[in-house]
This record gives sequence, C-alpha cells and structure tokens, in this order.
Amino acid sequence: QQQVKQSPQSLIVQKGGISIINCAYENTAFDYFPWYQQFPGKGPALLIAIRPDVSEKKEGRFTISFNKSAKQFSLHIMDSQPGDSATYFCAARPGYSTLTFGKGTMLLVSP
Amino acid sequence: GAVVSQHPSWVICKSGTSVKIECRSLDFQATTMFWYRQFPKQSLMLMATSNEGSKATYEQGVEKDKFLINHASLTLSTLTVTSAHPEDSSFYICSARDNGGGYEQYFGPGTRLTVT
Repeated sequence: QQQVKQSPQSLIVQKGGISIINCAYENTAFDYFPWYQQFPGKGPALLIAIRPDVSEKKEGRFTISFNKSAKQFSLHIMDSQPGDSATYFCAARPGYSTLTFGKGTMLLVSP
Repeated sequence: GAVVSQHPSWVICKSGTSVKIECRSLDFQATTMFWYRQFPKQSLMLMATSNEGSKATYEQGVEKDKFLINHASLTLSTLTVTSAHPEDSSFYICSARDNGGGYEQYFGPGTRLTVT
C-alpha cells in the first residue's frame, strides 16, 4: 500500500514536444506529491509539488495533474528541451512522514 | 533558497577504515534529516531518518552500528560509515525537511563513496 508506481521507465521525446510521466498510488493517506529531477552524479532537485486540494499546478513549463479519485498524478513538461534530459522521480507521503519514491523515468529529449 | 550541502562530494577510502559525510541545510532549519543510498539507475533507498537531538530511526535491513548518524543541530547531520567494505561503495544522498512552510524536502548533491 506504500508503493508509488511510475511509468514509463524511459522516454524519448523530440525537442519542443510534450513529455508526460505518470504515477499511481494506493495509500489514500498520501497528501503531498512532489516531483524531483535528477541529473547524473547529482542529488535530486525538487521540481514541483502538489497537494490533493487542487487538480493542477503549473510552474513554467512544468505542470502536475492530479486525479484524486483515480489515485494518479502526472508530470507534463511542455516544450521539452535537451536540457530537460534527466531522471524524474515522483514521490508521495502521508502528512509529514517519509517520502515514498517511484522507480524513476529516464527522459531523453532529442535535439 | 532551500540549499542543502554535502561534504565531501566524493571520497575514496581503504577497506576497514571509517568515513564521515556531512550534510548541512544552509538557509533553513531542519528538525528532520534523511539519509538515502542510491545504486546506479535505481531509485533512492531510505536508510534512516534523524531528528535533531535524538537517535536516528533506521530502516529495516540497515545496520545502525555500521552507519552511524548524528543530528546535533538544526542545520547539521552526519553519516559515518564504519569499517567500510567494498560493498558499501555507493552514492549517499542526504535530505533535509524545511521546518517552515509546507515541510518540503530538499536534497543534497550527494557523496560518491568508493571503498577499495
């Protein structure tokens, strides 16, 4: 029940396209859903996060869509750029407890 | 804002020796810090949660006598890998949870440990 299932495992998108990464969870106590971006050899960086009281949050080219009834949330990267090539992790936690991470998605944006 | 630093960024040590990794929250206070381990092309594995001024809580399967964690202040936590062995070679990443605001969790840049 603590799992967060992330898909796809890897993704190739053309420059300028939309990258979409999906996550699903079972634990209805989860109430904080962040996305992290990690470049090789670096620590994860908090990209954007959402709480279940809203269905969408947008920051620049990054948007989180949240579907509480389906227990799913997704990251959309608009106008994807080669510099967005990285590994993306979704995560979730109940209250102020520990984060549960997805397995990650390796995104490659081709020039 | 919300910067977490780690030192060293990489370290090579000989088998049987100990190595200490420092994690600092530079511009916020963190009552709670976390230590993760990450293998290549894998997700983050939580090793332990530390709260300032109290003993760390270790995840199942993590040897607390091998991975000593100290969280002596609201901005500093340390991880000491004792009697290191080659199988301890990994990427260690600390994380700090911001006491203020929404309790966002920020990560350090990681420490690459190689045990020879």
